[in-house]
Amino acid sequence: DAGVIQSPRHEVTEMGQEVTLRCKPISGHNSLFWYRQTMMRGLELLIYFNNNVPIDDSGMPEDRFSAKMPNASFSTLKIQPSEPRDSAVYFCASSFGGDRYEQYFGPGTRLTVT
Amino acid sequence: QQQVKQSPQSLIVQKGGISIINCAYENTAFDYFPWYQQFPGKGPALLIAIRPDVSEKKEGRFTISFNKSAKQFSLHIMDSQPGDSATYFCAASNSGGYQKVTFGTGTKLQVIP
Repeated sequence: DAGVIQSPRHEVTEMGQEVTLRCKPISGHNSLFWYRQTMMRGLELLIYFNNNVPIDDSGMPEDRFSAKMPNASFSTLKIQPSEPRDSAVYFCASSFGGDRYEQYFGPGTRLTVT
Repeated sequence: QQQVKQSPQSLIVQKGGISIINCAYENTAFDYFPWYQQFPGKGPALLIAIRPDVSEKKEGRFTISFNKSAKQFSLHIMDSQPGDSATYFCAASNSGGYQKVTFGTGTKLQVIP
């Protein structure tokens, strides 16, 4: 298996622009997580999907952030409009769900907003 | 109550030495405690995990010690190697919930030759 796939790996954009991050979870996994990692705040859970349904989005910083999972093999995280403080590494992770808790992380997208 | 406190923030150990990272939690509902290892430019990867029904779990050079009454757990890396240099995150989860994992703040380990 190729593991969790994220694209793009790097994104540089100007403040105010829309940014879309993409994730393909491991086939057969039922749970998908979006995290943000910064030096100041560490690893933060943004949103969690189970069977394509958003279960908890309490970690989404504000309305500028939105996430979708239209099917079991694809998810997006969108920031509109982007701000410099959104600069971070964004990780997608997936797991089997149920009583199997191990989360498999993708390589991350490094976002820089200037 | 959802926090997991991790220390130290950074650690330098000589090759062959023992690396020890400590974590503490408040939420007594947590019942799954994984450790993740992250190399620069990579996503975190599960290293080892423990449930509170045992006090210790060992996998190779990596051992988790768990103290349920003190609500503390620690990672010991025996015979530390330069290849172990990475950032280590402890975490905790509640199996009665929906698999939300709360991560510690991370420990950057450097093993020097």
